[in-house]
Amino acid sequence: GENVEQHPSTLSVQEGDSAVIKCTYSDSASNYFPWYKQELGKRPQLIIDIRSNVGEKKDQRIAVTLNKTAKHFSLHITETQPEDSAVYFCAATQTGTASKLTFGTGTRLQVTL
Amino acid sequence: EPEVTQTPSHQVTQMGQEVILRCVPISNHLYFYWYRQILGQKVEFLVSFYNNEISEKSEIFDDQFSVERPDGSNFTLKIRSTKLEDSAMYFCASTSTGLNNSPLHFGNGTRLTVT
Repeated sequence: GENVEQHPSTLSVQEGDSAVIKCTYSDSASNYFPWYKQELGKRPQLIIDIRSNVGEKKDQRIAVTLNKTAKHFSLHITETQPEDSAVYFCAATQTGTASKLTFGTGTRLQVTL
Repeated sequence: EPEVTQTPSHQVTQMGQEVILRCVPISNHLYFYWYRQILGQKVEFLVSFYNNEISEKSEIFDDQFSVERPDGSNFTLKIRSTKLEDSAMYFCASTSTGLNNSPLHFGNGTRLTVT
């Protein structure tokens, strides 16, 4: 089955700096890679996703890149703000009627003033 | 925007008791899922459900677990005889077309505490 590794486990940046979180996956058949943000005590919320037919996707301050050859994908947050502080999870799956997401272990991002 | 709703938000039960966690998926969705998250850990897939039957289940989803869609709106997860290690946050989710074209959105979760 799929295995997703995520690094770093914790990340502290100053407000305004950029943050990068990296994930690797094992199953070359995986073709859908969402990122979720989870604030303390709340549900994971989808913030951006990418499918294997594109290499990069951007939404305002958030971007995701995908390297299918290396089986890497990364989340980039620019101009970080205190409200970006949360745990971020990457996930991967091969889409299909019964597709299940395999999550990474999470990155706790702390944006300091 | 429609959301997946889950009840209760918090359930406390004694070891060995049965619990039923309830979910109301988004109304036109056809695929339903349960995930769980042990405190401080990653989100883990439990089971997917489509066309009134289980599509796939993980090794976590053993004989103590069952799912049901008892009517046209609810989707339930039953744990027959709870264990301490079942303590976790349980998230329900639904999609209209699997994950081919529709992303997965979670409900607010039920925090299950087994004492």
